[in-house]
Amino acid sequence: DGGITQSPKYLFRKEGQNVTLSCEQNLNHDAMYWYRQDPGQGLRLIYYSQIVNDFQKGDIAEGYSVSREKKESFPLTVTSAQKNPTAFYLCASSIAQMGGYTFGSGTRLTVV
Amino acid sequence: EDKVVQSPLSLVVHEGDTVTLNCSYEVTNFRSLLWYKQEKKAPTFLFMLTSSGIEKKSGRLSSILDKKELFSILNITATQTGDSAVYLCAGGDDKIIFGKGTRLHILP
Repeated sequence: DGGITQSPKYLFRKEGQNVTLSCEQNLNHDAMYWYRQDPGQGLRLIYYSQIVNDFQKGDIAEGYSVSREKKESFPLTVTSAQKNPTAFYLCASSIAQMGGYTFGSGTRLTVV
Repeated sequence: EDKVVQSPLSLVVHEGDTVTLNCSYEVTNFRSLLWYKQEKKAPTFLFMLTSSGIEKKSGRLSSILDKKELFSILNITATQTGDSAVYLCAGGDDKIIFGKGTRLHILP
């Protein structure tokens, strides 16, 4: 079955450490996205990518980095520069310019 | 600044009631408006609207878009406890902006 796989589901990180969240899709979608969800905040866009080797900053990109070396993969690194990284992170993909996202199951990151 | 505003933020009704969820948007590059239902983790897709005035239906759920007024509504008739969830609205083109969601709770 096609879909998006995010891993891990739960992640604990010590302050000052970088951590990378994985997102892989086998839907042959061109576009991939990373969102952050905090209580009462809805989904906020961190980064998005329309094609391989190209990506754009979203609304809250500071303290995050991404890469898109393969169409299937869009990993997100939460760096130590991100001041409040504890949140639920959702990855999504879509056929570019068609909307109708497919979401992964999310990664809950907790900084301890 | 692009924004999507949903109202109400929270709603509690009794099973069997009909509810209307609102979504207004101000998005620079608009192509489609999307509705999602989020129960525990990942949102699940409900509707994609691109044209004004054409109602989309799926069972007890329906939605319509007004591109002149920059507005969309999601209707749920004969609500059931399984409809309890957060309903997310999103609009845009390549970059899609989400609203904060409406938390709907259906009392048995």
